[in-house]
Amino acid sequence: EADIYQTPRYLVIGTGKKITLECSQTMGHDKMYWYQQDPGMELHLIHYSYGVNSTEKGDLSSESTVSRIRTEHFPLTLESARPSHTSQYLCASSGAGASSYNEQFFGPGTRLTVL
Amino acid sequence: DAKTTQPNSMESNEEEPVHLPCNHSTISGTDYIHWYRQLPSQGPEYVIHGLTSNVNNRMASLAIAEDRKSSTLILHRATLRDAAVYYCILANYTGANSKLTFGKGITLSVRP
Repeated sequence: EADIYQTPRYLVIGTGKKITLECSQTMGHDKMYWYQQDPGMELHLIHYSYGVNSTEKGDLSSESTVSRIRTEHFPLTLESARPSHTSQYLCASSGAGASSYNEQFFGPGTRLTVL
Repeated sequence: DAKTTQPNSMESNEEEPVHLPCNHSTISGTDYIHWYRQLPSQGPEYVIHGLTSNVNNRMASLAIAEDRKSSTLILHRATLRDAAVYYCILANYTGANSKLTFGKGITLSVRP
């Protein structure tokens, strides 16, 4: 069973609020990812990190920002939430080393609703 | 990144085998073929992956065409819990790259 956690699971918040979605993993993985998924739609990579102090933008442009100060922790922040940010946010991680393949493990997701 | 093409949906009967096809005609020699699935209201989970040879694990089998331009995920005995969206994804791991690009996937329905 994957040890990757996301909090909160559900968040309903008003426009203009600052929010932080938490993601942590206990597997010692160096690579972590954030995906965004609207209901019934595809997952889109919005941020990823290959290690501490490393963050990159993903394939889908996002107004959110991320940080990676500790290996196990990869929070996502929205400075000013808007209704267009309403979506499900999924965090994932994958392992390190010389292996040619790194399976991604996903958390349960945070369903964000901005009113 | 090379793309994959999957049917939108498929139906199967419980306890029967299911063959989920995937076309990837532009696959490169270093692309691995991955399958993930996403159960309702959950994050995706890894199912299986392969490069050239057929692969088996406890969840499924992966049959890869000799020219690698298509593959088939085989669920040997579908259960109701196998109803999910199944994603066929190509990715290579040159350098530090480990990103996956999810498409629309195929929605599998299982009839009791």
